[in-house]
Amino acid sequence: GESVGLHLPTLSVQEGDNSIINCAYSNSASDYFIWYKQESGKGPQFIIDIRSNMDKRQGQRVTVLLNKTVKHLSLQIAATQPGDSAVYFCAERSNAGGTSYGKLTFGQGTILTVHP
Amino acid sequence: EAGVAQSPRYKIIEKRQSVAFWCNPISGHATLYWYQQILGQGPKLLIQFQNNGVVDDSQLPKDRFSAERLKGVDSTLKIQPAKLEDSAVYLCASSPLIAGAKNIQYFGAGTRLSVL
Repeated sequence: GESVGLHLPTLSVQEGDNSIINCAYSNSASDYFIWYKQESGKGPQFIIDIRSNMDKRQGQRVTVLLNKTVKHLSLQIAATQPGDSAVYFCAERSNAGGTSYGKLTFGQGTILTVHP
Repeated sequence: EAGVAQSPRYKIIEKRQSVAFWCNPISGHATLYWYQQILGQGPKLLIQFQNNGVVDDSQLPKDRFSAERLKGVDSTLKIQPAKLEDSAVYLCASSPLIAGAKNIQYFGAGTRLSVL
């Protein structure tokens, strides 16, 4: 069945290091992927997205890489800061039926801790 | 731009009682979602509205959960009667209606429900 999972449930880094958070997905019909950041007591906050016809997309300090061959998604955070400490979720949209409003399926999440 | 508003922030009830959550989406957003997030897991979609019609409620436990979206704007999610396993954060999200495009969902802070 459909599943979105993360290889590492926790990640600890030093301030200034680069962070890489990984995500595996199994639904080859997924056409769109999103990374969200969730801080304690808050709702998920959009970070970056990528469509399935792309393999890389960059934002401010963040890069998302998509490898459709192995169904793998990663989020790279450059020069990680203490404010980046949060739970990070990847989510996929399965575009079954051709609708543009397909359901998002979220992964379990990775806890990122940045040490000063 | 104001974000997604949810109330209450916290609710504690005893099992078999009823509870209701309220959500006001971002102005102009046609699509509204209710998610359940159990501690340590990613959000799980319960129901998705497009304007005031239900698009997906396949994961909504309809024997006890109900939701409505009055006039295609505000929405309420109700649980009656509540069970211990309903303890979770209930997140509301909204997104604009843009055909063929991305599906960035904007989340509220959520309502944390504890069922005793």
